[in-house]
Amino acid sequence: NAGVMQNPRHLVRRRGQEARLRCSPMKGHSHVYWYRQLPEEGLKFMVYLQKENIIDESGMPKERFSAEFPKEGPSILRIQQVVRGDSAAYFCASSRSAGALNTEAFFGQGTRLTVV
Amino acid sequence: RKEVEQDPGPFNVPEGATVAFNCTYSNSASQSFFWYRQDCRKEPKLLMSVYSSGNEDGRFTAQLNRASQYISLLIRDSKLSDSATYLCVVNGPGGFKTIFGAGTRLFVKA
Repeated sequence: NAGVMQNPRHLVRRRGQEARLRCSPMKGHSHVYWYRQLPEEGLKFMVYLQKENIIDESGMPKERFSAEFPKEGPSILRIQQVVRGDSAAYFCASSRSAGALNTEAFFGQGTRLTVV
Repeated sequence: RKEVEQDPGPFNVPEGATVAFNCTYSNSASQSFFWYRQDCRKEPKLLMSVYSSGNEDGRFTAQLNRASQYISLLIRDSKLSDSATYLCVVNGPGGFKTIFGAGTRLFVKA
């Protein structure tokens, strides 16, 4: 049973380009979370998705950022027109269905985005 | 008020010391609780779940006080390898939404 898979592990983009980060949750997991971590800082919640639905995007910047979790395929975090301040580690986590107690989240290894 | 709050530290302790981390959460309907560990430039990994009765795993003891909405982690006989960031994690009502604290950094020195 593969863990949470994120790709690419490292991504370099020039200012103004688009960044696409992918996350495949663990088998049997239908909840996906995206977090951003700036250097020397803690994890900041961005968005929480279930299949085909955004449940909570309160941590997502209103502009340039979007996320999806289609019925088939990985969850995608998309950043348009990247700026230097978007440089960070982006972690994806997944967990089992809602309602299950003690539902721990498992993390992918993250994508380190560098904007030059 | 943040949903999950932790002392950011850092905590600098000598080997063999006992260190305690505290965490508070704002939603009284939260259902499950965890401590995660994050090493530098790595992903967070589950350290232990936290149960109402308190639980222990080797040198690590976790406690939950629902009335005070407070979680703690105690590390006894600290090792150099315990140096990391410790994240308090809370699951909301119905299991929805996992919320992470910002983490407490621990440095254990020889």
